[in-house]
Amino acid sequence: QVQLQESGPGLVKPSETLSLTCTVSGGPIGSAYWSWIRQPPGKGLEWVGNLYSNGGTRYNPSVRSGVTISGDTSKNQFSLKLRSVTAADTAVYYCAIFREWGDYREYNWFDPWGQGTLVTVSS
Amino acid sequence: DIQMTQSPSSLSASVGDRVTITCRASQKISDFLNWYQQKPGKPPKLLIYGSSRLQSGVPSKFSGSGSGTDFTLTINSLQPEDFATYYCQQSYNTPYTFGPGTTLEIK
Repeated sequence: QVQLQESGPGLVKPSETLSLTCTVSGGPIGSAYWSWIRQPPGKGLEWVGNLYSNGGTRYNPSVRSGVTISGDTSKNQFSLKLRSVTAADTAVYYCAIFREWGDYREYNWFDPWGQGTLVTVSS
Repeated sequence: DIQMTQSPSSLSASVGDRVTITCRASQKISDFLNWYQQKPGKPPKLLIYGSSRLQSGVPSKFSGSGSGTDFTLTINSLQPEDFATYYCQQSYNTPYTFGPGTTLEIK
């Protein structure tokens, strides 16, 4: 069964770059789709972006910090970078598998999720 | 962006009760609606996808329905482990958006 684990610094200074890695075990990442989702403390969930098996990406325009999601199939990892972060980027960051289903792969959902990692943006 | 709302925002119920949570989308999304359960300090867990399709391994006490803009999640025979926060999420288009959550508390 595929498992995901987020890792990275728990504290980032404002205007700097937040970098997180998701390590996947139990299966290769090359044939799947991958997502980052975040949750500010005590608040709801916000989709950050997806990485597709062809290397394509899609990001949430509402995430004001510059977002890059990339993958390293040799390490079975994918990563998230948020540039020029502010206090509004303080959140628990989750990585997840983005599943598709249906005759036209029209249905999709996030499952499973990693345990999440709290990143605080503060000087 | 498609806005998702949920009602109620919180709900008190007793063990054994049946509860229903409502989710509404700001535009029609067919049946592209997922439900997640989240317990404190844990990641969300998928319960239902495609409005009414039960994820493998999820007890049949959970059921979902709806299409268009209005959706419901029903939980039968509440047990202590069901008290959690429930989120709906639209998968109709990007950016994928979640509802604000409904917290189910023990009465």
